[in-house]
Amino acid sequence: KAGVTQTPRYLIKTRGQQVTLSCSPISGHRSVSWYQQTPGQGLQFLFEYFSETQRNKGNFPGRFSGRQFSNSRSEMNVSTLELGDSALYLCASSQTPGTDTQYFGPGTRLTVL
Amino acid sequence: AQTVTQSQPEMSVQEAETVTLSCTYDTSESNYYLFWYKQPPSRQMILVIRQEAYKQQNATENRFSVNFQKAAKSFSLKISDSQLGDTAMYFCAFMKPLPGGGADGLTFGKGTHLIIQP
Repeated sequence: KAGVTQTPRYLIKTRGQQVTLSCSPISGHRSVSWYQQTPGQGLQFLFEYFSETQRNKGNFPGRFSGRQFSNSRSEMNVSTLELGDSALYLCASSQTPGTDTQYFGPGTRLTVL
Repeated sequence: AQTVTQSQPEMSVQEAETVTLSCTYDTSESNYYLFWYKQPPSRQMILVIRQEAYKQQNATENRFSVNFQKAAKSFSLKISDSQLGDTAMYFCAFMKPLPGGGADGLTFGKGTHLIIQP
């Protein structure tokens, strides 16, 4: 079974731009969670989607948003990019949120100049 | 809110030795899940082991085992017969289910950088 895939793997943007990251979960997994990893703050939870609905959200500004499609694929969007948004963005999928193990994709490395 | 603490920023051991990574957490919940993930230089986050809080028996996966002390809120990882490929960042993580379904997201510790020396 194929693992979680994320595209693109690397991205360079400038301040003020917006960006969309994509995540395809493991086949059969309906829950997708997003995390931001930075050297200073570590790994932080962004949001979680299940059956096309955002079920939970971390403590991030409204510039960070996401959605999930009927095939469980998910996208996250960051608008008006800031230098501090430079990070590794990790997507994880699970069958049932809250009880099942989350399996991670390889991440998207975003650099904001 | 839950917190996860890993008190060892870095550890270094010789190949074939046994090493224990420590993790403590703070929660008022009784039903939750604990995980150890490893992140090698490739940055791919890989599940090492999982423990359900309601299970008294410690989880094991081949060379990896945990010492889960629920009352002490401690969850240490023991790696036996360490190998060069075990070199990675190791993260302890906590997850609790939300009422009505959904997940609260994983809460991670800051990580322990484990280096296996040849």
